[in-house]
Amino acid sequence: GAVVSQHPSWVICKSGTSVKIECRSLDFQATTMFWYRQFPKQSLMLMATSNEGSKATYEQGVEKDKFLINHASLTLSTLTVTSAHPEDSSFYICSARDERGAWAEAFFGQGTRLTVV
Amino acid sequence: DAKTTQPPSMDCAEGRAANLPCNHSTISGNEYVYWYRQIHSQGPQYIIHGLKNNETNEMASLIITEDRKSSTLILPHATLRDTAVYYCIVRVAGGNQGGKLIFGQGTELSVKP
Repeated sequence: GAVVSQHPSWVICKSGTSVKIECRSLDFQATTMFWYRQFPKQSLMLMATSNEGSKATYEQGVEKDKFLINHASLTLSTLTVTSAHPEDSSFYICSARDERGAWAEAFFGQGTRLTVV
Repeated sequence: DAKTTQPPSMDCAEGRAANLPCNHSTISGNEYVYWYRQIHSQGPQYIIHGLKNNETNEMASLIITEDRKSSTLILPHATLRDTAVYYCIVRVAGGNQGGKLIFGQGTELSVKP
């Protein structure tokens, strides 16, 4: 099967600092990965599409300078929350598109719980 | 915006079938119906998808109406571990849009003993 791993699973950081979250496809190569954010009791919101070797595509209303995405290899995308503030506290989830199959399905990581204090 | 409508919550008795409805009246001819679920504080898990025929796998069955404007996900024998939020998503499969999911509010299914 297709396995996607996120690291860390949870992180607590001080307001004003930056936090990096990693998303890895463990058993397949992913030219495309997706980043989502989920607030408590709400649905997942797509933040951006991460493309290997090129700039990420951000959804409307998502600040690209605030949420830096780097997809430097076929198995790793990173999301850096810069100058984090308490309102950035959320559950961040990535998915990676597996293009080995005809459906090019995306498989999700386990999520990263960010708490900014 | 999500193109599906689901009831916000449902209850089901353990061991009974759970039938989760989804309305997608504006579905296009090349769009598939996908179902995912999210157990609390985990990433979503793929369940099943279909175009127009009914589908079944080891997890669930998907019944799509003939006009494709609605569908039902069936968990034949719900267990406590099936308690989760279930998302119905319609989208084009494969290609450059493959894997890109726009989530609606989903249905919170509570399986009770």
